[in-house]
Amino acid sequence: QEQLQESGPGLVKTSETLSLTCTLSGGSIRNHYWGWIRQPPGKGLEWIGYIYHSGYSRSNPPLKSRVAMSLDTSKSQFSLKVTSVTAADTAVYYCARRSTDGYGDYDVFDIWGQGTLVTVSS
Amino acid sequence: DIQMTQSPSSLSASVGDRVTITCRASQSINNYLNWYQQKPGKAPKLVISVASSLQSGVPSRFSGSGSGTHFTLTISSLQPEDFATYYCQQSHSTPYTFGQGTKLDVK
Repeated sequence: QEQLQESGPGLVKTSETLSLTCTLSGGSIRNHYWGWIRQPPGKGLEWIGYIYHSGYSRSNPPLKSRVAMSLDTSKSQFSLKVTSVTAADTAVYYCARRSTDGYGDYDVFDIWGQGTLVTVSS
Repeated sequence: DIQMTQSPSSLSASVGDRVTITCRASQSINNYLNWYQQKPGKAPKLVISVASSLQSGVPSRFSGSGSGTHFTLTISSLQPEDFATYYCQQSHSTPYTFGQGTKLDVK
């Protein structure tokens, strides 16, 4: 049974870089896309981006200039960095597996980590 | 970006009730619409994909319908474990976008 677990600092200073890692257990990181979604306290969900095991990635345009994603197949981990953070980046950050059927019909986030709260404060 | 709008934003209901949540897209997304259930302090859980396909393990009282710009999620007979917040999400194109959520609570 595949499981995801986020890890990283819970507090980041304003203007610094947020760094999170997601570790996959019980499965292979190959042949899947791996995504990040965040949720500010009391608010809705925002897609950040995803990365394929080949290194191909896409991210949400408003965040694109500040977001970097990477993947380490040897450790079954993928990572997110968000630079120049502000209070608006305070959120619960989820990692998730994106599953598709290859034709574009089925495209879902079907396995999620438990989420980790990152607070940005000066 | 494709905007997703859910209604209502909140809904009070009782066990056994039939409830329907609506999700509208700002442009046609065919049937590329997913529904997630989120309970407090937990990650979202995929309930329905491709507008109407029930995920494995999800009770049959859940159903989804719609295409184009108008979609619905229906729970035929509410159970205590169904009280949660529900989000629609379009997978037609990136950036993926979610509705603002519908909080379903006990009347």
